[in-house]
Amino acid sequence: DGGITQSPKYLFRKEGQNVTLSCEQNLNHDAMYWYRQDPGQGLRLIYYSQIVNDFQKGDIAEGYSVSREKKESFPLTVTSAQKNPTAFYLCASSIEQGLTAFFGQGTRLTVV
Amino acid sequence: QQQVKQSPQSLIVQKGGISIINCAYENTAFDYFPWYQQFPGKGPALLIAIRPDVSEKKEGRFTISFNKSAKQFSLHIMDSQPGDSATYFCAASPAGGTSYGKLTFGQGTILTVHP
Repeated sequence: DGGITQSPKYLFRKEGQNVTLSCEQNLNHDAMYWYRQDPGQGLRLIYYSQIVNDFQKGDIAEGYSVSREKKESFPLTVTSAQKNPTAFYLCASSIEQGLTAFFGQGTRLTVV
Repeated sequence: QQQVKQSPQSLIVQKGGISIINCAYENTAFDYFPWYQQFPGKGPALLIAIRPDVSEKKEGRFTISFNKSAKQFSLHIMDSQPGDSATYFCAASPAGGTSYGKLTFGQGTILTVHP
């Protein structure tokens, strides 16, 4: 079945640590996105990539980094510079010139 | 302005009733307006979407109404069921250029349908 796989589902991070969230898609989509969701708020765009080896900052990129070495993969690193990383992180993808974004099941990150 | 404003924040409806969620936008470059449904602990799933060349789109019990001049759009859920209880997000994006697929989301509406 085609889809977007995010792992892990739950992640705990100690303060000062970097952690990497995985996102893999087998939909053959060109564009991939990372969103952050906080309680009572909509989804906010962190980074997006429209093509391999290229990516752009979204609205809240500070404290995050990404890479896009393969079309299928778009990992997100939450660095120690992110002051409030506890949130639900969602990865999405869409076809070139497509408008519909398909979402993964999310990773819940908690700082302990 | 990139903002999309959604209301109400929460909504309680009796089974069989009509649920109505409203959104307003400011950016006239937006021309794709999807609605997403999200259950707890899951990712959002596309429910229904509309382009501004039509004023209404219906899919089963779900209808989007679109008012281009007012820059407003709304989701109507007819014959609401307890299984519809979820968080609903409106969103908007430009259709083309380098911004395709970049969705701006509303704040979300928590819908509860009582049996």
